[in-house]
Amino acid sequence: DAGVIQSPRHEVTEMGQEVTLRCKPISGHNSLFWYRQTMMRGLELLIYFNNNVPIDDSGMPEDRFSAKMPNASFSTLKIQPSEPRDSAVYFCASSLVGGKNTEAFFGQGTRLTVV
Amino acid sequence: QKEVEQNSGPLSVPEGAIASLNCTYSDRGSQSFFWYRQYSGKSPELIMSIYSNGDKEDGRFTAQLNKASQYVSLLIRDSQPSDSATYLCAAPVRDSSYKLIFGSGTRLLVRP
Repeated sequence: DAGVIQSPRHEVTEMGQEVTLRCKPISGHNSLFWYRQTMMRGLELLIYFNNNVPIDDSGMPEDRFSAKMPNASFSTLKIQPSEPRDSAVYFCASSLVGGKNTEAFFGQGTRLTVV
Repeated sequence: QKEVEQNSGPLSVPEGAIASLNCTYSDRGSQSFFWYRQYSGKSPELIMSIYSNGDKEDGRFTAQLNKASQYVSLLIRDSQPSDSATYLCAAPVRDSSYKLIFGSGTRLLVRP
């Protein structure tokens, strides 16, 4: 298995531009998480999908952020318009939630820089 | 109160010593707990999971869980410089869903 695949690995964009981050979860996993990591705030959960349905988006910082999961093998996180304070590493993780098994596996992350 | 709390460190230990990393959690309903290791510039990597009270050993790593005290720890025996990383504790927290929440991480430095 290739693991969780994220793209792009690095993104540099200008303030005000739209940014789309992509994630392919591990095949067979039914839950997908988007996290943001900064030095100041650590690893923050932005949104959580289960069976392609958004279950909890309370971590999404504001309306500029949106996430979709159109099918079990693909998810996007979009920021429009982007701002310098959005600069961070964004991780996608997937897991098979069933009983005790909520072990999540992470992608390599997307390092976003907004200038 | 944060849902999952860790001391940010850094925790500095000499090579060969035992490193002890601690984590507390607020949701008494949490049933499973995870330790991740994150090297600088890399993504978190799952190294241990524990579901029952007591100890679970895997090589040089031992996870300890005390549900009554809402406390989970990770012991690293015979610490090596390659163990130097940030260690993240995680637990699924149930409010409207079982979302996986991470502590802020403890930075471990193993001195040669």
